[in-house]
Amino acid sequence: DGGITQSPKYLFRKEGQNVTLSCEQNLNHDAMYWYRQDPGQGLRLIYYSQIVNDFQKGDIAEGYSVSREKKESFPLTVTSAQKNPTAFYLCASSLDGIPVTGELFFGEGSRLTVL
Amino acid sequence: QKEVEQNSGPLSVPEGAIASLNCTYSDRGSQSFFWYRQYSGKSPELIMSIYSNGDKEDGRFTAQLNKASQYVSLLIRDSQPSDSATYLCAVTAYSSASKIIFGSGTRLSIRP
Repeated sequence: DGGITQSPKYLFRKEGQNVTLSCEQNLNHDAMYWYRQDPGQGLRLIYYSQIVNDFQKGDIAEGYSVSREKKESFPLTVTSAQKNPTAFYLCASSLDGIPVTGELFFGEGSRLTVL
Repeated sequence: QKEVEQNSGPLSVPEGAIASLNCTYSDRGSQSFFWYRQYSGKSPELIMSIYSNGDKEDGRFTAQLNKASQYVSLLIRDSQPSDSATYLCAVTAYSSASKIIFGSGTRLSIRP
């Protein structure tokens, strides 16, 4: 079945460590996104990519990095520079880079806890 | 001012009644508007999209858009306990149509 796979589902990290969250899609979608969600909050955009080898910063990119070397993959690295990384991270994709139809397809999310 | 504003709730509605969820947005150039439903601990799923002024109905759900007032709403008729969730309003940014901006969500609780 087509979809978006995020891993790991749960991740614990010590302060000062970098961690990488995986996001893979087999929907043949051009655009991919990373959102962060804090308890009781909406989704905030970290990074997005419309095509391979290109990505743009979202509203809260500081302390994060991404790559888009393959169409199906958009990993997110949470660096030690991110001051408050504990959150629920959601990866999403859309058919094209201008989501006129608006449907974002989400993965199941990765819950990161910094100890 | 937040780009997309919603009342956080919780909004409590008796089973079988109409639930009304509201959202305002600040970017007058926004063209596309969406409602996502998110169950606790899960990822959001799209339930309605609307692009022009007026009403759009899909089953028990009706989305209403008023661009002049920068207002979008979602009505849920015959509310069911399974409708209990957080509803996120989302809007495309005029400056970059690739960006979808989410509100903080309204928590809806359907009481038996």
